[in-house]
Amino acid sequence: KQEVTQIPAALSVPEGENLVLNCSFTDSAIYNLQWFRQDPGKGLTSLLLIQSSQREQTSGRLNASLDKSSGRSTLYIAASQPGDSATYLCAALTGGGNKLTFGTGTQLKVEL
Amino acid sequence: GAGVSQSPSNKVTEKGKDVELRCDPISGHTALYWYRQSLGQGLEFLIYFQGNSAPDKSGLPSDRFSAERTGGSVSTLTIQRTQQEDSAVYLCASSLTGQNYEQYFGPGTRLTVT
Repeated sequence: KQEVTQIPAALSVPEGENLVLNCSFTDSAIYNLQWFRQDPGKGLTSLLLIQSSQREQTSGRLNASLDKSSGRSTLYIAASQPGDSATYLCAALTGGGNKLTFGTGTQLKVEL
Repeated sequence: GAGVSQSPSNKVTEKGKDVELRCDPISGHTALYWYRQSLGQGLEFLIYFQGNSAPDKSGLPSDRFSAERTGGSVSTLTIQRTQQEDSAVYLCASSLTGQNYEQYFGPGTRLTVT
């Protein structure tokens, strides 16, 4: 059974700082890995999707990497802003490609 | 274009009553997913529909839960004889066919069973 873990559970940083969120998964037989953000009381917004054959994906200030052999993915956020404050979730697509297994999330707060 | 929509946004029901939650996927998306987000369990998969294939129901927690997808578009998740532990946010997502595509989520339905 796939298990996804995210560290840290919560993070508070000053504006402008670069930061890294970590995601680890137990079963390396994934189809892809997706990073989401969730604002309080809202649904999930897709940030980046990395295919199993890829090593990284970039979108603006966000960069996600994937190392299947070690069961790890990282989300790098450059020059953080208060608007980046949210919960960040990673999810691995497994189970025949039918289901996402989610991590428990990292709650990020970027302070002025 | 329009994203995934869900209704109602909030539902309060009494224990033992049945509820129906609705999901309208993004037009053209053949895959539809239901997930549940609760404080104790995090975000967990419930059921998956792909075209006309038999749905993957492996995540449904009990036989009180069922879902259908009519005409390959709108989906309804039904919970019979609701229990307090069913209280959660129910999220629907849709995607294009295959594992290469992102899942796009709706805003969710917050269900409270009193």
